[in-house]
Amino acid sequence: SYALTQPPSVSLAPGETARISCVGFNIETKDVQWYQVKPGQAPVLAIYENNNRPSGIPERFSGSSSGNTATLTISGVEAGDEADYYCQVWENISDHVVFGGGTKLTVL
Amino acid sequence: QVQLQESGPRLLKPSETLSLTCNVSGDSIKTFYWSWIRQSPGKGLEWMGNIHYSGRTNYNSSLKSRLTLSVDTSENQFSLHLPFVTAADTAIYYCARVKTWFGESRNWFDSWGQGILVTVSS
Repeated sequence: SYALTQPPSVSLAPGETARISCVGFNIETKDVQWYQVKPGQAPVLAIYENNNRPSGIPERFSGSSSGNTATLTISGVEAGDEADYYCQVWENISDHVVFGGGTKLTVL
Repeated sequence: QVQLQESGPRLLKPSETLSLTCNVSGDSIKTFYWSWIRQSPGKGLEWMGNIHYSGRTNYNSSLKSRLTLSVDTSENQFSLHLPFVTAADTAIYYCARVKTWFGESRNWFDSWGQGILVTVSS
């Protein structure tokens, strides 16, 4: 079955740039979404179809994909960005939605 | 602005049936596909399945033998039924709206409920 691999955690200081990777076979051929999940809150779609931001998501959030790696980039991280981030694709052969294992972003 | 709200029992005993409902407001349930996603303690998100009001479903193969999704268009809500629960089914259960484009599922989620924590324990 198709698998997506994310680093368990990323830590950085306010104002720095966070880059969260999502590795999957030939992921560049798939549409990748990114979700922000905070405890006790509804998850939020942060990026859809690789590099599109829903309304209400700051321009600091961007996405890219090449080869086997998709990347969520958050420029100038703020304390409010502290959350778990999940990548997600649809695997057409199995017709299954697949999530990455999630990355905990800590703003020091 | 669509809103989704999960409801159901928060504590079950092993072998009981988990039944959850997602109430949808601000949108017709006939317009979109809908989904259930769960997160076990300390683990990541797990997609459970999608449903369309027409009855069309798509289940995660790991749950297919136990999971049933249904839609009640008169109440504008959809439901999950999972029998024979075990401790492994302890999780936060989220309902979500699937991005739908010209009647077809895009297989990603643009609105989510806050989630409901369900604990399975004897």
